[in-house]
Amino acid sequence: GQQLNQSPQSMFIQEGEDVSMNCTSSSIFNTWLWYKQDPGEGPVLLIALYKAGELTSNGRLTAQFGITRKDSFLNISASIPSDVGIYFCAGSLETSGSRLTFGEGTQLTVNP
Amino acid sequence: AAGVIQSPRHLIKEKRETATLKCYPIPRHDTVYWYQQGPGQDPQFLISFYEKMQSDKGSIPDRFSAQQFSDYHSELNMSSLELGDSALYFCASSNRGAQETQYFGPGTRLLVL
Repeated sequence: GQQLNQSPQSMFIQEGEDVSMNCTSSSIFNTWLWYKQDPGEGPVLLIALYKAGELTSNGRLTAQFGITRKDSFLNISASIPSDVGIYFCAGSLETSGSRLTFGEGTQLTVNP
Repeated sequence: AAGVIQSPRHLIKEKRETATLKCYPIPRHDTVYWYQQGPGQDPQFLISFYEKMQSDKGSIPDRFSAQQFSDYHSELNMSSLELGDSALYFCASSNRGAQETQYFGPGTRLLVL
């Protein structure tokens, strides 16, 4: 089945620093989604990407859908303590109604 | 805005017992997905329903079954529970007519003793 390789697995940064994480796949995905999950809670959708090459921002978050449709990255600028959590990339083979395949997650720790 | 509702939030069962998890999708969403997340793992797709019909099936054990009802809520039935079934179970919903945007519920934490 499809696999998403997400890196890094964990990051320890100082408040105010910028963060970058990415996902790669051996398969083509037609939709890339980025989620944030707090312990014991459900994943919260951050950004959705639907077109190869698409660059989308949501406040301090910026994500891009790779041209090859096999990768995506998420950047967080000027990190703050509430950015702490696990960030997951997820890919879908279809543009709607299809299962999501998740990356392994990036655990982000922000030191005040 | 209304979100996905799941109940119960926590459930403790003994081995070989049965459990039923419920999911109420966001209003006007026609597709429901179930995912299982083990400790320290990423969510794994179990099964999905569109307009009350099973639309996709993932790594769901034969001991589990699910359905979507006429009001679009869904139930995941788990029988002959095993210790390894202890996990977070998430329901997500989407509107198939729109671009892929799955919204997740808060999850049900199942502990099998």
